[in-house]
Parts: sequence; C-alpha cells; structure tokens
Amino acid sequence: NAGVTQTPKFQVLKTGQSMTLQCAQDMNHEYMSWYRQDPGMGLRLIHYSVGAGITDQGEVPNGYNVSRSTTEDFPLRLLSAAPSQTSVYFCASSWTGGRAEAFFGQGTRLTVV
Amino acid sequence: GQQLNQSPQSMFIQEGEDVSMNCTSSSIFNTWLWYKQEPGEGPVLLIALYKAGELTSNGRLTAQFGITRKDSFLNISASIPSDVGIYFCAGQRNSGGSNYKLTFGKGTLLTVNP
Repeated sequence: NAGVTQTPKFQVLKTGQSMTLQCAQDMNHEYMSWYRQDPGMGLRLIHYSVGAGITDQGEVPNGYNVSRSTTEDFPLRLLSAAPSQTSVYFCASSWTGGRAEAFFGQGTRLTVV
Repeated sequence: GQQLNQSPQSMFIQEGEDVSMNCTSSSIFNTWLWYKQEPGEGPVLLIALYKAGELTSNGRLTAQFGITRKDSFLNISASIPSDVGIYFCAGQRNSGGSNYKLTFGKGTLLTVNP
C-alpha cells in the first residue's frame, strides 16, 4: 500500500528559485493538506483542499500556491523561495465526514540558501 | 487561531517506566488524535478518539477524550527504547467544510534510557 507519497525527499534551493513539491495519495481521500514543521513549532497548516478544484488557505499560506486538479494529487508550489521557507514539509490526506484520521507522507526536507 | 497546549515538552525516562502526556485547549474539539513521529519520518496515527469520555487502548498505549472535550491524555505503560520519538496530539472541531482541519500541539519529545 503506497498511502501518501511525497517527492522529493530532500531539496536545496537558492533564494528566488521556484519549485513544486509533489504529493499523491491512492486512498481516494477527499481532504488533502500541506503542513510545515519547524523546531518547537509543531505542524502548521499551509493550504488544504476538500476535493478536486477546491482549495483554501491555512495558517501560514504566504509564499505558497496549491491546486487540486485530481483527487489523487495536491502539489505545493514555492513561487520565489526564501530562507524562511527552510523547513520540513508534510502532505496529509483523510476522508471527509465522520472520520478525522489523517495519513502523512514521509516529508520533504527543504533548505533555501 | 486555535491552539493546543501540549505538555510536557520533553521527557527523559528509564526503560520500564510509565509515561503520561496531555493536551488542553480553550476550545471544544469533537475529535482527538494522537500521533508518533520518528526521526526522518512523517507522523503516524496511534489512537483516534471520537466521543467525550472515551478511553481507547492500542497495545501499551491508552488515550482518553476528556469529558469537557477540551483535553486529552496519552499514557504509555512499561516504556521500551523503541517508544522514542515525538508524540503529537491533534484536535478537530467538526466535520464539514473547513472544519476538516486538524490543530496540532507542539509535541512531546520522549527519550527512553535503556
């Protein structure tokens, strides 16, 4: 079972570069989300989607874009990378309705220099 | 935004000891989840709680959904070295629309000395 797959696992960017973090899930989950994890800060929600074509901002959306063209995929785009975006990024998916359990990918460790 | 206060921030214990950690909030949650994260990995779900007062076990782990709906507790009995990791609580307010969002605590770092 693949679950939630994130690529790449590691990435180094120069300030100002753009890139897309990929996330795919094979569980037919409607809800998908992106978090960033920084030391001492826990997991903070960047963007989320409740289904194809529907996205919304989370707690820390600035500097990031998302789109949801299919149920399976939810890419996160960094438009112009900044050192403050150095973090570990996690994608998660879950059902909507009564079950809240979110399943996480293995993360992407991003360094912006 | 909503915040979950998770404590303690870190724990250093001896193998075989029991562990307790908790999360509290000023807001009501309808669902409480507990996750464990090991180094270099994503969080993995341990226990899900859906009903106030609910007590659920998963092996040596037991979690409770507080009666007030504003807190939850996780206990680990007879700790072993592989229990090492960061434990996160997460709460969800309601189903429907933006309320699928989870709010996470900042985590409890558990270290177990053999």
